[in-house]
Amino acid sequence: DTGVSQNPRHKITKRGQNVTFRCDPISEHNRLYWYRQTLGQGPEFLTYFQNEAQLEKSRLLSDRFSAERPKGSFSTLEIQRTEQGDSAMYLCASQGGAYEQYFGPGTRLTVT
Amino acid sequence: GESVGLHLPTLSVQEGDNSIINCAYSNSASDYFIWYKQESGKGPQFIIDIRSNMDKRQGQRVTVLLNKTVKHLSLQIAATQPGDSAVYFCAEKPHGSSNTGKLIFGQGTTLQVKP
Repeated sequence: DTGVSQNPRHKITKRGQNVTFRCDPISEHNRLYWYRQTLGQGPEFLTYFQNEAQLEKSRLLSDRFSAERPKGSFSTLEIQRTEQGDSAMYLCASQGGAYEQYFGPGTRLTVT
Repeated sequence: GESVGLHLPTLSVQEGDNSIINCAYSNSASDYFIWYKQESGKGPQFIIDIRSNMDKRQGQRVTVLLNKTVKHLSLQIAATQPGDSAVYFCAEKPHGSSNTGKLIFGQGTTLQVKP
């Protein structure tokens, strides 16, 4: 499969725990985005990487959130001290030379 | 079947009919627009896109129309099939020197296809 992959697909955690998600973009796509989607809503932008550089972060990304893309390939999104309001689908998208972004299947986070 | 007004949460159509899903976008400076299809439990799937220097673009069974005067975007699906049942999102890419290509999504329309 040469599309965007995300792991894990589902994560259930208790409030206060830390979680980390991984995204593997389409090979050689230099742009990578993280979005968050809550039930019934469209995805909301969280952060953007061009190669290994994190170039933009949304105000939605509180201090408890951190994202990395250390070698310009895969990316990780970590949430520290999770809260119930963090429950959502976390989507990763990658983009090559054109404008279209291709999304992965997402990681569904449930904080109990 | 057609969704009317700025946004209709659900559009129900008969199999074989044409569907029209409408979207109002917010930023007159947006220079790129894209439609995604999202099935339950899956990530958004690219359908078709259009740049702001165009007013119409056709794909296989789908057509996107852009009216910049009223900031309106529509997706037309010909001969709608049960497999087209999903939530459809429009998204815009704001233009600007600080822009990084992030997309701003609308709220989505659920398309239900009746056999």
